[in-house]
Amino acid sequence: QSVLTQPPSVSGTPGQRVTFSCSGSSSNIGSKYVYWYQQLPGTAPKLLMYRDNQRPSGVPDRFSGSKSGTSASLAISGLRSDDEADYYCASWDDSLRGWVFGGGTKLTVL
Amino acid sequence: QVQLEESGGAVALPGTSLRLSCAASGFSFSRFAMHWVRQAPGKGLEWVALISYDGSKKLYADSVRGRFTISRDNSENSLFLQMNSLRLEDTAVYFCVRGDGPTEYYCPDKWGQGTLVAVS
Repeated sequence: QSVLTQPPSVSGTPGQRVTFSCSGSSSNIGSKYVYWYQQLPGTAPKLLMYRDNQRPSGVPDRFSGSKSGTSASLAISGLRSDDEADYYCASWDDSLRGWVFGGGTKLTVL
Repeated sequence: QVQLEESGGAVALPGTSLRLSCAASGFSFSRFAMHWVRQAPGKGLEWVALISYDGSKKLYADSVRGRFTISRDNSENSLFLQMNSLRLEDTAVYFCVRGDGPTEYYCPDKWGQGTLVAVS
């Protein structure tokens, strides 16, 4: 059971906007930054969003992040077939004194 | 560019030991914290351990504390994970990951391709 809770799957059609949710607690998301990772099939994860809503260089502005209270969201607009991947949220947890990940959400582009 | 190359993954019997290594290049290794993150087959990501830039602080997930030891050699730009008393549930791809800064509060940032540990 992951400390951060993500829905197992999300789907959308090309051009659509989809969102991913990530729910935590006061010891992680509620007081610390949230990070998002994209893992394309058969590859290592890649940092997609840092400090709640900051995009690393090279990540298109179709990707956006937000946070409210103990929950965070990642949105992809203008969905493309090559966005199909697993998406993970992560945060530092003050109670556990370590990093915690969500269980991941699999994005299917129909 | 940042390169992280893991090695040492293998098939191991329960109760035995393995040592993973990670060779880093393309950045000032001694300035960054380093993580190990694992992924069991078909499962999600699990943070395993972290070591600060100078090796003075080491943190572990509850699932491995007391069995695994993280270490680093800044003179050799290398990261290690000594895995003792291996269990079936330790089976996973182990990723070497650079932190985004020197201490534990900096997120896992750049990832290696991973090395497979199969306990069977």
